[in-house]
Amino acid sequence: GQSLEQPSEVTAVEGAIVQINCTYQTSGFYGLSWYQQHDGGAPTFLSYNALDGLEETGRFSSFLSRSDSYGYLLLQELQMKDSASYFCAVSWIKAAGNKLTFGGGTRVLVKP
Amino acid sequence: KAGVTQTPRYLIKTRGQQVTLSCSPISGHRSVSWYQQTPGQGLQFLFEYFSETQRNKGNFPGRFSGRQFSNSRSEMNVSTLELGDSALYLCASSLDRAGGPDTQYFGPGTRLTVL
Repeated sequence: GQSLEQPSEVTAVEGAIVQINCTYQTSGFYGLSWYQQHDGGAPTFLSYNALDGLEETGRFSSFLSRSDSYGYLLLQELQMKDSASYFCAVSWIKAAGNKLTFGGGTRVLVKP
Repeated sequence: KAGVTQTPRYLIKTRGQQVTLSCSPISGHRSVSWYQQTPGQGLQFLFEYFSETQRNKGNFPGRFSGRQFSNSRSEMNVSTLELGDSALYLCASSLDRAGGPDTQYFGPGTRLTVL
């Protein structure tokens, strides 16, 4: 089947670095995306990896290794506003168009 | 550009009723996808519409249906509501550039409560 596993919760202090892992048991996907969702809000796009390696976008970086069936989102210089849920999601090759399969999400709590 | 808009934002229905939710994509976006979000099941793909045609479908019963209009606006309908249909229903739009899947931009969602 298609499944993506993420830790359910991570707690860290302001200024720290957090790595959210996403392991998957699937193949044939097009790329791995990351979304952020604040409580009561909509998921917002953070980063996308179509190829293996690191993608850096400001304080956030994302990594993909297809050979290891693994990806991660790195949050640096944590700020209070980064408290939110973070989801990894895969998009599929064989399905034309757009279809995302999401992981269960990781709730990040940033403490002062 | 205005973002994805969804109406209504909140809805309360009773079992057995039906409901229609609306989504207006970002201007120029031709693909509209719908997702259901619940605490127990997380974010699950319902279906995707492109050029007024359903292009992808998730594993939901036939009570869940949708359509897309010529201006790319989309509606989803849930008939014979069940308590388990209580969820946040999210709409996402994308440009659908050639060459593969595209970044999806989500609306604020419609919170449906079934009593």
